[in-house]
Amino acid sequence: DTGVSQNPRHKITKRGQNVTFRCDPISEHNRLYWYRQTLGQGPEFLTYFQNEAQLEKSRLLSDRFSAERPKGSFSTLEIQRTEQGDSAMYLCASSLGAGLSPLHFGNGTRLTVT
Amino acid sequence: DAKTTQPNSMESNEEEPVHLPCNHSTISGTDYIHWYRQLPSQGPEYVIHGLTSNVNNRMASLAIAEDRKSSTLILHRATLRDAAVYYCILRDAWDQGAQKLVFGQGTRLTINP
Repeated sequence: DTGVSQNPRHKITKRGQNVTFRCDPISEHNRLYWYRQTLGQGPEFLTYFQNEAQLEKSRLLSDRFSAERPKGSFSTLEIQRTEQGDSAMYLCASSLGAGLSPLHFGNGTRLTVT
Repeated sequence: DAKTTQPNSMESNEEEPVHLPCNHSTISGTDYIHWYRQLPSQGPEYVIHGLTSNVNNRMASLAIAEDRKSSTLILHRATLRDAAVYYCILRDAWDQGAQKLVFGQGTRLTINP
């Protein structure tokens, strides 16, 4: 069972640097979601793709954040000019976009900005 | 988004049943009740969902009140591996958008050996 894969698992960076995370969804899942989770809180929605089209972005996704999903397969989430407030777990999920199909989550990338 | 209310934490003993409550008094007729759980250091995982009738699967049972304003996730025989944060989430079947999950704080379940 090849679930949702996220890389890297951990990333430590200095404030002001750019970082990029990768998510490989379950094959044939046409929907892909990015979430952010800080300690003690539930995951917060960031953005969503259906195939290669980015169809919804949260207000949490500032101009420093950009997500892509070329060819509707894997996705990347880039954060430019990182700030300490960006420290969080970044979770990716995918689903088969039919009705209320369950979301399948990866185990996340933990970002620490020093 | 329709909201849910859950206790912040609950505690139970291994091999005993656990009943996790969720209130959703503003639920609409097209909202499905979904439960996810998040084990330590992992992403959330789907547990179960239902609309009106009680539902059973290999992981748990979902009991839905007749007026649908509350529901209860039932773990029939808790194990240490069931220690997790449990999220009760409403998803609108008529939503043509992202069908995204909107997470609250959830209930942190502790299982005592």
